[in-house]
Amino acid sequence: EAGVVQSPRYKIIEKKQPVAFWCNPISGHNTLYWYRQNLGQGPELLIRYENEEAVDDSQLPKDRFSAERLKGVDSTLKIQPAELGDSAVYLCASSTRGRLSGNTIYFGEGSWLTVV
Amino acid sequence: GNSVTQMEGPVTLSEEAFLTINCTYTATGYPSLFWYVQYPGEGLQLLLKATKADDKGSNKGFEATYRKETTSFHLEKGSVQVSDSAVYFCALSDRDTGNQFYFGTGTSLTVIP
Repeated sequence: EAGVVQSPRYKIIEKKQPVAFWCNPISGHNTLYWYRQNLGQGPELLIRYENEEAVDDSQLPKDRFSAERLKGVDSTLKIQPAELGDSAVYLCASSTRGRLSGNTIYFGEGSWLTVV
Repeated sequence: GNSVTQMEGPVTLSEEAFLTINCTYTATGYPSLFWYVQYPGEGLQLLLKATKADDKGSNKGFEATYRKETTSFHLEKGSVQVSDSAVYFCALSDRDTGNQFYFGTGTSLTVIP
């Protein structure tokens, strides 16, 4: 079974440019997460979807970040315009329906963004 | 609120040494507890988990026991290998908050031959 697939793996852009990351979750996983991981830190949640509905986007910087999951399967995270402080790893993760106790989330390999 | 506190690294051990990475948590409900491992250049992988008090999670020689009385979930391994070099993250999920995950800051482990 394929895991969580993310692209691109690496991206270097100049500040003020836009960038987009794509994620395809594990088949059958209703819940999709986008996390940001700064160097030497743990992942921090940006947004969580249950199917196509964003149920937790309280930590998403909405002035420059946007996300969508139109058909409840794959998802795109966009940053426009990018700032130097956005350099980080953007991790996508998925799980089965979020209400189950002990639900495990599975991560992709991450998209490594460097803003110069 | 919910949070996870891990011992700070980096940790450097010789091969075959005993490993302990401390993790304590704060939770408002009845959380599930996890250890994830991140190898260089990769995403996080589930190492083990425990869903209720006194449960022991184990995998690849690693173990952790869910201790409600001390709100702890310490990771242990009896004999580490060079291939165990990675960053280890303790995490909790709380059903009362829709299974939102809370991660610690990670502990870097380097095992030297």
